[in-house]
This record gives sequence, structure tokens and C-alpha cells, in this order.
Amino acid sequence: GAVVSQHPSRVICKSGTSVKIECRSLDFQATTMFWYRQFPKKSLMLMATSNEGSKATYEQGVEKDKFLINHASLTLSTLTVTSAHPEDSSFYICSARDPGRGYGGVENEQFFGPGTRLTVL
Amino acid sequence: AQKVTQAQTEISVVEKEDVTLDCVYETRDTTYYLFWYKQPPSGELVFLIRRNSFDEQNEISGRYSWNFQKSTSSFNFTITASQVVDSAVYFCALRRASYDKVIFGPGTSLSVIP
Repeated sequence: GAVVSQHPSRVICKSGTSVKIECRSLDFQATTMFWYRQFPKKSLMLMATSNEGSKATYEQGVEKDKFLINHASLTLSTLTVTSAHPEDSSFYICSARDPGRGYGGVENEQFFGPGTRLTVL
Repeated sequence: AQKVTQAQTEISVVEKEDVTLDCVYETRDTTYYLFWYKQPPSGELVFLIRRNSFDEQNEISGRYSWNFQKSTSSFNFTITASQVVDSAVYFCALRRASYDKVIFGPGTSLSVIP
């Protein structure tokens, strides 16, 4: 259980176009989802926290108008990279917290998608 | 401020050797959660363990073991008898109790040589 999917897994686009990445929780309802960005050989940097039915909370330095996040349902959050440029090329990873799992013990609480590799030409 | 440090950027070991990955964290909170994740070349993060700040008991799972010491703010990860399949980037991470955000360390790239 607790599977998170991302689509597409890879995308190549031309500079100036917009790209939408979907993140879905397949077997649980996620009130909160997170979007991370990872450059080659670097760590995951949190971009924003996506809350169902409300505006996303962006981390400092992340352009809200550049990276549009929509969390329209309890199982789907989307990240749209608008007017993409080569410097936006990166590995984008989403995660979702399963509110049905308690915070006790050693079990996992946040489930990560497989990631989307974006290449902007 | 919350911070996770993994001083070892890259480690190479020969298969069957033991290896310890270091993790030092900073937080002013008394309740927090620590994690280790594995990221193989495929890119997908694999959850390894979560540890609560009020539970300093060390954990062992097969060839993996974790040493949590609040006195030194460390949460080190040891792989015993390493295997080639252990080659990956390993991330230590921290989450404050009242927040959902997970802060990742810079990662340690482990290469296990046959």
C-alpha cells in the first residue's frame, strides 16, 4: 500500500513551452503533497507544500508564477513549469503524506513518487 | 534552524566490507523525527528507517543498523558486509514534530566495488 505515482517519468520540451507533471496517491488520500527538485549529484530541495483545496506554500526563492502547483483533489497534485528554460532542467520528485498512518514507531509516513526527469532544450 | 549534515560526500568500499555513513543534525526542537533514504541510480527514493527523538534505541534490520545518539546529535547508518546492490546515494533527513516538511542532508554516494 501507500503508492505514489508520477507522470510523465521523462519529458523533453523546447524552451518557452510549459510542462505539467502529475503526482497521484494511488491507494490513499493525501491532504498534503510536497514537490522537490533535485539537481545532478545534489540533494532534494523542497520547492513547495501543496494542500488540497488551498494555495500551495512555496519555499523561499521558488518563483510562484514559474512553478504553478494545483492540488485539486485528495489524490492529485500537479506541478506546471511555465515558460521552461534550460536551467529548469532537473529531476522533480513529489511526495505525499498518508494521514492514516500514525507518527509512532518506525514506519514510513511520507511516500515518494518515482520522479520526473525534465529536459528543456 | 534545522540542518542535516552528511560530511562524507563519496565513499568507496570493497564488497563485504562494513561501512558507516555519518549524519549529524541540528534542531532546537525536543521532538523530531529522523530518516534515512536510499536513492539508487534509477532515482526513486527508498525509505529505510524513521526514528523518533524520544526513542534512542538502536535499530537493526538485516545488514543495516542505525546508531542514534542525541548527546552528539548523530544518527549514523552502518551497512555490514556490503554488497554491490548497496551502491546508491543515501540521504539522512529530519522533520520537526509539528511540521510536515522533511529537510534532507546533502547525501553520501556509496560505491561498493566487487
